[in-house]
Amino acid sequence: DQQVKQNSPSLSVQEGRISILNCDYTNSMFDYFLWYKKYPAEGPTFLISISSIKDKNEDGRFTVFLNKSAKHLSLHIVPSQPGDSAVYFCAALRGDAGKSTFGDGTTLTVKP
Amino acid sequence: NAGVTQTPKFRILKIGQSMTLQCTQDMNHNYMYWYRQDPGMGLKLIYYSVGAGITDKGEVPNGYNVSRSTTEDFPLRLELAAPSQTSVYFCASSYPASGTNYGYTFGSGTRLTVV
Repeated sequence: DQQVKQNSPSLSVQEGRISILNCDYTNSMFDYFLWYKKYPAEGPTFLISISSIKDKNEDGRFTVFLNKSAKHLSLHIVPSQPGDSAVYFCAALRGDAGKSTFGDGTTLTVKP
Repeated sequence: NAGVTQTPKFRILKIGQSMTLQCTQDMNHNYMYWYRQDPGMGLKLIYYSVGAGITDKGEVPNGYNVSRSTTEDFPLRLELAAPSQTSVYFCASSYPASGTNYGYTFGSGTRLTVV
């Protein structure tokens, strides 16, 4: 049973437009959600997080939205840039447990 | 500041061989993790540790062992390698609370092929 799902394996957008990456989870015990970005041949790097007491968190061009009732979160990138082309992983964890559960990732391609 | 260092970067093993993947962090993080990533898939937790002398199984621990004798080091041991262990292995670390707000710091990975 996959507890964190990213249903879109890939997404292609034009430079300057908005990228929206989606993530669904099933475990209602998760109380923190994070997004990581991964370039080929590198480890994932932390991008942005949100706790379950919030519904939105912004950091520059990146905004994460959380809909607890739907068990859904999304990452918005505005405006998208070619350097944003990477694999994006959604992760969820219980704050007291420390270990994260990851989705399968979405490959974002931003075309110039 | 090196962060999380993994060695080797690449390795080819024959079926039945054993090896140790090394992981060292210099950030004084208490928590350390081992994940594997199969092609087209997400990261699956193998083992994790919340401090020196303490380890626990993750989602896919079979065929692996770990030890945590120091805060800095968290080696992953593969005994009797099998083709199903062909994967990219990532080590990560975090402070106890920072994993929620600042995420993990990952190493660059070890690409292992078992033939």
